[in-house]
This record gives sequence, structure tokens and C-alpha cells, in this order.
Amino acid sequence: AQKVTQAQTEISVVEKEDVTLDCVYETRDTTYYLFWYKQPPSGELVFLIRRNSFDEQNEISGRYSWNFQKSTSSFNFTITASQVVDSAVYFCALSEAEETSGSRLTFGEGTQLTVNP
Amino acid sequence: DAGITQSPRHKVTETGTPVTLRCHQTENHRYMYWYRQDPGHGLRLIHYSYGVKDTDKGEVSDGYSVSRSKTEDFLLTLESATSSQTSVYFCAISESGTGRMNYGYTFGSGTRLTVV
Repeated sequence: AQKVTQAQTEISVVEKEDVTLDCVYETRDTTYYLFWYKQPPSGELVFLIRRNSFDEQNEISGRYSWNFQKSTSSFNFTITASQVVDSAVYFCALSEAEETSGSRLTFGEGTQLTVNP
Repeated sequence: DAGITQSPRHKVTETGTPVTLRCHQTENHRYMYWYRQDPGHGLRLIHYSYGVKDTDKGEVSDGYSVSRSKTEDFLLTLESATSSQTSVYFCAISESGTGRMNYGYTFGSGTRLTVV
């Protein structure tokens, strides 16, 4: 069974600090997809990134970057120069590769990030 | 830009009463999901659907049933609500079962259900 672990329950930083959110996953599939979602205080889930298991290139989008390492089954998320608006719960998630009726998205427990001014 | 709406947004109900939550989509996506969110657990899958009248259980399906009589609607029913079902419920849709297309999974705004 697939599993996602976000060991950091809560992180608190001061504005402009860099912060990395850890995500470790388990799956027996060779092809899978990894996601990060942001949940701000308003409660909606906002898609940030999707990665497939064959693409290990790191990705950068503005202040956000993602480090995918299959060797350690990790998909970590770094926010550079954090801002108060980055305060949210961040979820890492994993989906199976096959287009079967049983495919579904498995979430980690989430990391509450608080950025203080 | 919704594409997916959940109703109601908030509900308070009494223990033992039946409750139905509705998820409506305008995207014509094949796959629909119901998740519940609880502190310390992230989001956990309750039930999902891979087509009209095609549904299956997720990891926390006890006490819940679903129905999908048309592509756009996916209903979640608590047959006899209990306090342990107090939670925030999210519906999600996807073009593919793996989320490999477009933005993967799109989530509704959530329904906050309180069972007293």
C-alpha cells in the first residue's frame, strides 16, 4: 500500500527565512505521481505541483522549488525568502500510475507552516 | 471558475440522523472522490467513483455510502451520523484516475459537518 509521511507537523519561521518541507513516500509502483497542495487559512486546497516518477529534474517556480530524489523516496519543497502569505498547511500526496478503477490520491498528514513578520 | 461545487458548505446535525452531502461538477470528469480531513490525519479517502453507477470504497468508508446516478453529481450519505463523523469533507474530480492530466485533481471548497 502506498503511504506518504510528512514528519514535520508544524514549522515556524521569520519572514525572509528559507524553509524546507519534507515529504517521504512509499510505493511499490514504478510509475507514480507526486503532488504538493497548499491549504491557506480560508480552507481551500490549492494545487502547487505534480511530478511523475520518471522526471527527477528539480523544479523552480518563483520562490518555490522542489527536490525529487527517487533514491531516498523523497519529494521536498523549499520556499525561499518566505512571506507571511505563505502561512498555510502544505500537503504532499501520491497517486498510483495505472488508469484502473482503483486509482486514488494518498495524502500525508500535512505540515502547518507559520511565517511570522 | 468553480467547476466543482459542494453543498451545503456548513451543516450541524444530530447524532443518529441521516445526512447527504452533494458534489456537483461541470467539467464532465470521469473520476470523483470524497475525502474527509481531520487534524493529524491529512485527507483520507472515503469513497470514489470511476463512472456513473461505478463506485468503490476508500480507506475510511465505514458508516458512509455514495451514489452517482449521473456524471455531474456524486452524493455522500451518512446513514446515521455519529460524533466521530464530525469533520471537513472535500470532494475532488479528475480526468484521469492518476491525476496525470492537466492539474491532476481539483477540489471543492469543502463542507464542514458537525454532529452533536
